[in-house]
Amino acid sequence: DIQMTQSPSTLSASVGDRVTITCRASQNINNWLAWYQQKPGKAPKFLIYKASTLQSGVPSRFSGSGSGTEFTLTISSLQPDDFAIYYCQHYNNYLEAAFGPGTKVDIK
Amino acid sequence: QKQVVESGGGVVQPGGSLRLSCVASGFSFSDYGMHWVRQTPGKGLEWVAFIKYDGGKKNYVDSVKGRFTISRDDSKNMLSLQMSSLRPEDTAVYHCAKDAGYGTTFYYMDVWGEGTTVIVSS
Repeated sequence: DIQMTQSPSTLSASVGDRVTITCRASQNINNWLAWYQQKPGKAPKFLIYKASTLQSGVPSRFSGSGSGTEFTLTISSLQPDDFAIYYCQHYNNYLEAAFGPGTKVDIK
Repeated sequence: QKQVVESGGGVVQPGGSLRLSCVASGFSFSDYGMHWVRQTPGKGLEWVAFIKYDGGKKNYVDSVKGRFTISRDDSKNMLSLQMSSLRPEDTAVYHCAKDAGYGTTFYYMDVWGEGTTVIVSS
């Protein structure tokens, strides 16, 4: 099974900061990676698929990159609405869907 | 807007059964595969089960195989998860989620519900 890890587990930042979250896969997953945002008690929100394709309606300050085993989610200028937990997810045609443990972005 | 709403959670004893439901609105339910994903503070998000848009394929995480059954009723825009032989480790918030693929399967989820809580405890 493919294992997903994320770093850091918690990130403290201020409004306006550039924020980068890293997601790593235990083996090559090409670009089969999605990103989600979740706020406490709420449903996860879909942000990015195929590692770098922004879902319609997601602000352009969010971007994704990477392929193979290392991926990043970047928020170019952190906004108050962005304080949340971010999860990466590997998916593939073999009916596998593995989530990372999450990265909490909180206020410095 | 596209929305899914879960119900049916509760407290159940180990070995017991529970049926979760999810009602969809705002999209053509019969054209999309659907997932159940559970969430715990300790293990985070864990994909549990998937049913193809036409009901022709179902898949489960190993830990629930033989105990959980996913089904859909397109006439009611409803997804269900029948859970039996429940264990304490099944305790979680269970989210219903829409697959992003129209008439196909992408295995990432673009619409999620807030979830329904299942507690397995004596």
